[in-house]
Amino acid sequence: EIVLTQSPATLSLSPGERATLSCRASQSVSSYLAWYQQKPGQAPRLLIYDASNRATGIPARFSGSGSGTDFTLTISSLEPEDFAVYYCQQRSTRPTFGQGTRLEIK
Amino acid sequence: QVQLVESGGGVVQPGRSLRLSCAASGFTFSSYTMHWVRQAPGKGLEWVAVIFNDGIIKYYSDSVKGRFTISRDNSKNTLYVQMNSLRTEDTAVYYCARDFDSSGYRTDCFDYWGQGTQVTVSS
Repeated sequence: EIVLTQSPATLSLSPGERATLSCRASQSVSSYLAWYQQKPGQAPRLLIYDASNRATGIPARFSGSGSGTDFTLTISSLEPEDFAVYYCQQRSTRPTFGQGTRLEIK
Repeated sequence: QVQLVESGGGVVQPGRSLRLSCAASGFTFSSYTMHWVRQAPGKGLEWVAVIFNDGIIKYYSDSVKGRFTISRDNSKNTLYVQMNSLRTEDTAVYYCARDFDSSGYRTDCFDYWGQGTQVTVSS
């Protein structure tokens, strides 16, 4: 099983700031990496698929990069609605998720 | 618009069974591979099972293999999971999720999710 490790566990930032979230895989997943956003009491929402492709309707301030074992989700300028938990997920083998990064308001 | 609505959750004793349903609308259900994903209280996400659009090919996580059965009724636009021999560690919110690809292929990328149904296994 491929283990995904996300860092940091919690990120405290202010609206308007840039957020950088990391996801590291225990072995190469090529570009088969997705990012999801989850707000309390809600289902996850697909943001990025295949490392760098924005899903339908996702604002341009969200971007993804990386390949192999190291990936990054960047939110260029935080909006109030962006504070949530973010998960990465690989689909190179049987799907697994990271443990999540909580993005909170500073 | 795409809608996935889960139902059937509840409180059940260890060793008992439960069947969850997921009613789909707003898209051609029979064209899509579908998944179940769960989330234990305060925990992350865990993929549970997948069923291809034809309803024949199915795969399971090791943690539920032999106890859970995924199925679908394309005439009713509904996805199911039959959960037998339930354990306390199966306690979670269960989500149904649509696979990203519209040709029936399995990508394991989940583009739409339902709101989930709570399953609590407790004596």
